[in-house]
Amino acid sequence: NAGVMQNPRHLVRRRGQEARLRCSPMKGHSHVYWYRQLPEEGLKFMVYLQKENIIDESGMPKERFSAEFPKEGPSILRIQQVVRGDSAAYFCASSRGSYYEQYFGPGTRLTVT
Amino acid sequence: SQQGEEDPQALSIQEGENATMNCSYKTSINNLQWYRQNSGRGLVHLILIRSNEREKHSGRLRVTLDTSKKSSSLLITASRAADTASYFCATDEMGAQKLVFGQGTRLTINP
Repeated sequence: NAGVMQNPRHLVRRRGQEARLRCSPMKGHSHVYWYRQLPEEGLKFMVYLQKENIIDESGMPKERFSAEFPKEGPSILRIQQVVRGDSAAYFCASSRGSYYEQYFGPGTRLTVT
Repeated sequence: SQQGEEDPQALSIQEGENATMNCSYKTSINNLQWYRQNSGRGLVHLILIRSNEREKHSGRLRVTLDTSKKSSSLLITASRAADTASYFCATDEMGAQKLVFGQGTRLTINP
């Protein structure tokens, strides 16, 4: 009964490189959400996806950030040309439907040097 | 603007005492959820309370919701050292599934 899986747990990238963060939802969950957490702050919503569809990306920066949730495989959050300000913990959550509990993964801590 | 705001920002009590944290929000919601986060770790889901519910219990946890005041409280009874963590409330606005988190309450239980 695996929970939400995220990998890698820690990721170090130099400025200008690309970061790819993966999220596998809980079994039976088809809704995936990505959140970002800066140190000492709460989580901020980024994007909400269902299989092959982006439902709400109102929290995504307009440039360099993209997300997908393909028919097969994990959801991917992709950050191109990373900058120091992208350093944060990125959390993925999944739920079995709208307005149900969202269960979170352990997060990926991105450090941009 | 911030949807969920927790109060107090930090709380330190003795083991065995009860801990109460409050959360206020601004818009109409479908439900409100409470999460716990240990330092440097992921979020653990504690409890979900729907907008038509007023109170909910789970073990040593008791959550209340007052939609007229747009506020919720989380009570942890008989606190333990292992309860030391940050606690966040998260709300979803009507018509949106995304969660909006407050800044959290940092709870410290002193042995």
